[in-house]
Amino acid sequence: DQQVKQNSPSLSVQEGRISILNCDYTNSMFDYFLWYKKYPAEGPTFLISISSIKDKNEDGRFTVFLNKSAKHLSLHIVPSQPGDSAVYFCAASVEGGSQGNLIFGKGTKLSVKP
Amino acid sequence: NAGVTQTPKFRILKIGQSMTLQCAQDMNHNYMYWYRQDPGMGLKLIYYSVGAGITDKGEVPNGYNVSRSTTEDFPLRLELAAPSQTSVYFCASSYPQGHISSGNTIYFGEGSWLTVV
Repeated sequence: DQQVKQNSPSLSVQEGRISILNCDYTNSMFDYFLWYKKYPAEGPTFLISISSIKDKNEDGRFTVFLNKSAKHLSLHIVPSQPGDSAVYFCAASVEGGSQGNLIFGKGTKLSVKP
Repeated sequence: NAGVTQTPKFRILKIGQSMTLQCAQDMNHNYMYWYRQDPGMGLKLIYYSVGAGITDKGEVPNGYNVSRSTTEDFPLRLELAAPSQTSVYFCASSYPQGHISSGNTIYFGEGSWLTVV
């Protein structure tokens, strides 16, 4: 059973518009959430994270929102740029759990069209 | 700064063959990990290590072995390769604290594409 779900395999957005990528989780013990970005033939790179004690974290064009009651988080990219085209993975962790045992979603492929 | 380096980048193995995926990091990270990513799936943890001489199983360890004789290196050994091990393998490392917290994230290598036929 998937503990971290990204139900949209792909998303297409026009350049300059907002991209919203969604992630749901089932394990209420998760207390730290991360987004990774992955280009083809490269390893994932860290994008932004949020602790469960917060409901929003912002870094430039990227904002992550966390709704603990709904066990849902989302990544907003504003404005979207063609260089944002990549696969985005949502990941979750229990701070006191196995070191580095991030639980990843299946990813959402974002395409930003010029 | 090279970060996390994996070799080989691509490899085709026959069923039953063995091989070792090499991983090295130059960031003095104590924690190192091996993940695999199957097509259309997220990454799953195979093995991890919290320091030289210490390794532990992740979510999907069967068919693999690891060793950690130095801080820098964390090779992944496949014994008796099977088609189910066809995947992309990512090595990663993180800061000494190991805990995933603000500013302490995992750094991934570029991946090793393995096909077992």
